Amino acid sequence: QAVVTQEPSFSVSPGGTVTLTCGLTSGSVSTSSYPSWYQQIPGQAPRTLLYNTDIRSSGVPDRFSGSILGNKAALTITGAQAEDESDYYCVLYLNSGLVFGGGTTLTVL
Amino acid sequence: QVLLQESGPRLVMPSQPLSLTCTVSGGSIRGADSYWSWVRQRPGKGLEWIGYIYYGGTTYYNPSLKSRSSVSMDMSKNHFSLNLTSVTASDTAVYFCARVARLTVVGVVVTPRYYFDLWGQGTLVSVSS
Repeated sequence: QAVVTQEPSFSVSPGGTVTLTCGLTSGSVSTSSYPSWYQQIPGQAPRTLLYNTDIRSSGVPDRFSGSILGNKAALTITGAQAEDESDYYCVLYLNSGLVFGGGTTLTVL
Repeated sequence: QVLLQESGPRLVMPSQPLSLTCTVSGGSIRGADSYWSWVRQRPGKGLEWIGYIYYGGTTYYNPSLKSRSSVSMDMSKNHFSLNLTSVTASDTAVYFCARVARLTVVGVVVTPRYYFDLWGQGTLVSVSS
């Protein structure tokens, strides 16, 4: 199965901008992999943030945005807030199945 | 409002099967627009897709778990289930059931989706003797 890569950890200052990425160990991520992004606070179920690369799920603040940057999918948080400190996972649709990235732990400080 | 709720044993003996059920309320598991899926998260680790089932019974699995996994659905009870065989301590995890949006239809326009749009709260299953 393809391996989906994410930065293990990232740090951002309150009010700052951070971009998390989602790549493949072999090949490029494109819109045809239908990238989606999830936020998970430890101990809770994931929350859906974005799907089909850049469509925000209902109720998700517009400081969260998605794109394809080069050969990766990207999640950008513009104006990070303390409550954004969390784990973030991307998912790609590959070979009729779904593959999670390893997740990125985002620290806001 | 559609809700998903996992149920099943919280403790499973090694080598025994792990069986969980996800009951769907507020909506039907019939329909071509969704897959019904299982995801797990081992302690301190990331999320891992196990497999999903589509109306009509078609299933897809994570290749790493395919030989031990089976997802089924019961339309009459509006629920779907996971059976994982020959479990070991490494199968100890929080198991989530989830709905995967497969497509949306607006008028004559059909748009593929393929993302998790609804989650159960998760249930911790421990494998231990």
